[in-house]
Amino acid sequence: GENVEQHPSTLSVQEGDSAVIKCTYSDSASNYFPWYKQELGKRPQLIIDIRSNVGEKKDQRIAVTLNKTAKHFSLHITETQPEDSAVYFCAALFRGSQGNLIFGKGTKLSVKP
Amino acid sequence: DVKVTQSSRYLVKRTGEKVFLECVQDMDHENMFWYRQDPGLGLRLIYFSYDVKMKEKGDIPEGYSVSREKKERFSLILESASTNQTSMYLCASSSTGRDEQFFGPGTRLTVL
Repeated sequence: GENVEQHPSTLSVQEGDSAVIKCTYSDSASNYFPWYKQELGKRPQLIIDIRSNVGEKKDQRIAVTLNKTAKHFSLHITETQPEDSAVYFCAALFRGSQGNLIFGKGTKLSVKP
Repeated sequence: DVKVTQSSRYLVKRTGEKVFLECVQDMDHENMFWYRQDPGLGLRLIYFSYDVKMKEKGDIPEGYSVSREKKERFSLILESASTNQTSMYLCASSSTGRDEQFFGPGTRLTVL
């Protein structure tokens, strides 16, 4: 069945360094790939998304890249700050679904000052 | 401002009780979802609905049922709560064709 694998499960970086989280998906027909950030005790919120007709998308310090051939996509955070500390979830929308997203298991990012 | 609300932030119930979790969205979204969030397991889909009175099973529907009598409201029902249903429950909604899901604040359910 459809599956999204996310790595690493935990990531610790120094403030100012970059962080990269990678996800792979199983269905080559997937066409929408969002990333959600969940701060401690709060709801997940969309931070960036990409559609399959685009290879890269940037929004200030965050970017997402998509490699459809290899069926993987990555979240890049540059110049990390303590407020970037959170759990990040990738997801993929599979063809034929009614708006259903399949989520990765999450990456807990810790940014040390 | 987009808003998804859930009836309770924290809930404590006893084994065997019937539990109702309610979710309301004010964005006129067609699609609504119930997830369960457990450490290390991510967000797992329990049930979803893409229209009033319509429901579809997700990945882990066992022990749960749902009700959607009105477009803005989606209820999750635990017919007979068990300790292994202790978890964080998140509701979400989306508009058909837009794909972004908006989440509620979550209900942390403890079954004793």
